[in-house]
Amino acid sequence: QKEVEQNSGPLSVPEGAIASLNCTYSDRGSQSFFWYRQYSGKSPELIMSIYSNGDKEDGRFTAQLNKASQYVSLLIRDSQPSDSATYLCAVRGGNKLTFGTGTQLKVEL
Amino acid sequence: DAGVIQSPRHEVTEMGQEVTLRCKPISGHDYLFWYRQTMMRGLELLIYFNNNVPIDDSGMPEDRFSAKMPNASFSTLKIQPSEPRDSAVYFCASNPGLAGIREQFFGPGTRLTVL
Repeated sequence: QKEVEQNSGPLSVPEGAIASLNCTYSDRGSQSFFWYRQYSGKSPELIMSIYSNGDKEDGRFTAQLNKASQYVSLLIRDSQPSDSATYLCAVRGGNKLTFGTGTQLKVEL
Repeated sequence: DAGVIQSPRHEVTEMGQEVTLRCKPISGHDYLFWYRQTMMRGLELLIYFNNNVPIDDSGMPEDRFSAKMPNASFSTLKIQPSEPRDSAVYFCASNPGLAGIREQFFGPGTRLTVL
């Protein structure tokens, strides 16, 4: 079993819709969780971090964490074509980040 | 700040050749990480340094890979001899190491192709 699992996609949503990206992790002791966005040919960039159970909102992005279910999600409201990218879930253990393989999101006009 | 700097941006070499990738972290960052990204395996941590000292190299795939950090502003990842399966994008990232800042800042990456 991989430590951090994501559906590779692609996930296709129409412009203006809500995109929902999911991630599960295996280490029950994990405390810090991150979502990175990676455009094709570019490096990952941090878009959200979450440390406590519940929701965290930042603009059009909402991260959700459920430690009991070992589940992290990212919601993107009012999806735009510029949101088309691969989204990487990362879980911190000590000073290390373990990444999922990413979910490719396509926002269609 | 210029961000994390990596060189070269692209490297094409032949099997058996030595490859050296270079990284300059953000000034003042105490942690430096080397990652490898492939379609099949995603983004994998190879090794990380704290204050120029290697802390965890458990991700280094085999003895052909080595990494050094001779000072706070420079690190290298060397592959000798290189093999076609080493073809990937190699990222360097740095982190200030402060308790309230958990973000890793990535460089632009080096795309390595081994023929």
